[in-house]
Amino acid sequence: EPEVTQTPSHQVTQMGQEVILRCVPISNHLYFYWYRQILGQKVEFLVSFYNNEISEKSEIFDDQFSVERPDGSNFTLKIRSTKLEDSAMYFCASILGSSGYTFGSGTRLTVV
Amino acid sequence: RKEVEQDPGPFNVPEGATVAFNCTYSNSASQSFFWYRQDCRKEPKLLMSVYSSGNEDGRFTAQLNRASQYISLLIRDSKLSDSATYLCVVNPRSGGSYIPTFGRGTSLIVHP
Repeated sequence: EPEVTQTPSHQVTQMGQEVILRCVPISNHLYFYWYRQILGQKVEFLVSFYNNEISEKSEIFDDQFSVERPDGSNFTLKIRSTKLEDSAMYFCASILGSSGYTFGSGTRLTVV
Repeated sequence: RKEVEQDPGPFNVPEGATVAFNCTYSNSASQSFFWYRQDCRKEPKLLMSVYSSGNEDGRFTAQLNRASQYISLLIRDSKLSDSATYLCVVNPRSGGSYIPTFGRGTSLIVHP
């Protein structure tokens, strides 16, 4: 079964540092998403990406965040200057059309 | 009113029991609906899509009530392995793109 792959599985970073979270969506999927889930809280939408550009973003996705699809397969989320409150699980997801979303196994980001 | 609401539970049931969860949504223009299962510290995994006519997959039955704006999930003959958090996901179309909104999840604990 096709998978969405995320790396790294766990990232520890110091406050103020930049991090890049990587995702390889399912190859024929068209829409890509980043979500985050703070421990014990709900899954929150960050950004959606279609046709090589951002299609929607939430209030959480401020100027500290950016996304790229640098080479047609990878889909990255960059946090420029991490804050303690950025500590969360970050999930990448992709979808072909109106079928269900396939999530990657997530990156646990810990900001210290 | 929150966009997607679920009773957080936990629902604590014995093996073999039948348990039902509801999820209400506020956006009447919502297009598609899903139930996901999330195990502790893991990614959400698609359990089933929810169709207007209702659908069944083994012990799981999902139904949609557009008039009352809720979806339901029924689990028959609960197994220990059904213990997880069940996430309701609603897809309100926004400007032609899909931005799925998650409920907080309902926790199910199946005990021997």
